[in-house]
Amino acid sequence: QSVLTQPPSVSGAPGQRVTISCTGSSSNIGAGYDVHWYQHLPGTAPKLLIYGNINRPSGVPDRFSGSKSGTSASLAISGLQAEDEADYYCQSYDTRLSGSVFGGGTKLTVL
Amino acid sequence: EMQLVESGGGLVQPGGSLRLSCAASGFTFSSHWMTWVRQAPGKGLEWVASINQDGGKEYCLDSLKGRFTISRDNARYSVYLQMNSLSAEDTAVYYCGRFFSYHMDVWGKGTTVIVSS
Repeated sequence: QSVLTQPPSVSGAPGQRVTISCTGSSSNIGAGYDVHWYQHLPGTAPKLLIYGNINRPSGVPDRFSGSKSGTSASLAISGLQAEDEADYYCQSYDTRLSGSVFGGGTKLTVL
Repeated sequence: EMQLVESGGGLVQPGGSLRLSCAASGFTFSSHWMTWVRQAPGKGLEWVASINQDGGKEYCLDSLKGRFTISRDNARYSVYLQMNSLSAEDTAVYYCGRFFSYHMDVWGKGTTVIVSS
């Protein structure tokens, strides 16, 4: 059971928009800690997509956007492309655990 | 180019020990926190441990305390993970990451640890 809750899977057709939710609690996201998002293909290095809730590292397309409200956060991917098919993880910091926490991951399927 | 390369993984028997290494390049290693994250087969990412710039502060997942220890050698641009009393539950790909402002902005490709008899 992950500290942060994500849907196990989402899907969408090419060109569509999908969102992935990440729900935490008062000891992590609700305590004001930022949420970060990663894209991961098995066998490769995870890639930072969004940091500090809304910021994109250099080189990440603006099709990817993040938001945060209360004890939850979301990752939105617009203009879906086949190459977006991957696992997506949210991550934050938890004061009760004194460490980083991840969501369980969401598998994105591009139909 | 910033790069992290993990090594030291392999097959180890239950109860055994392993020391993972992560070699950094392309950035000033001594200026950054470093972290280890793992992914068990069919599971998600799990934070393992983090260490501050001079090695004076270490944080580890509660369930791993006493068995796993993170350390670093700034002169060698390397961070390490000593893993003792290994069990099948520790089987995973272990990733090294640069830890900046509570997130990992540079990742290695990982090293695989298999605990099996």
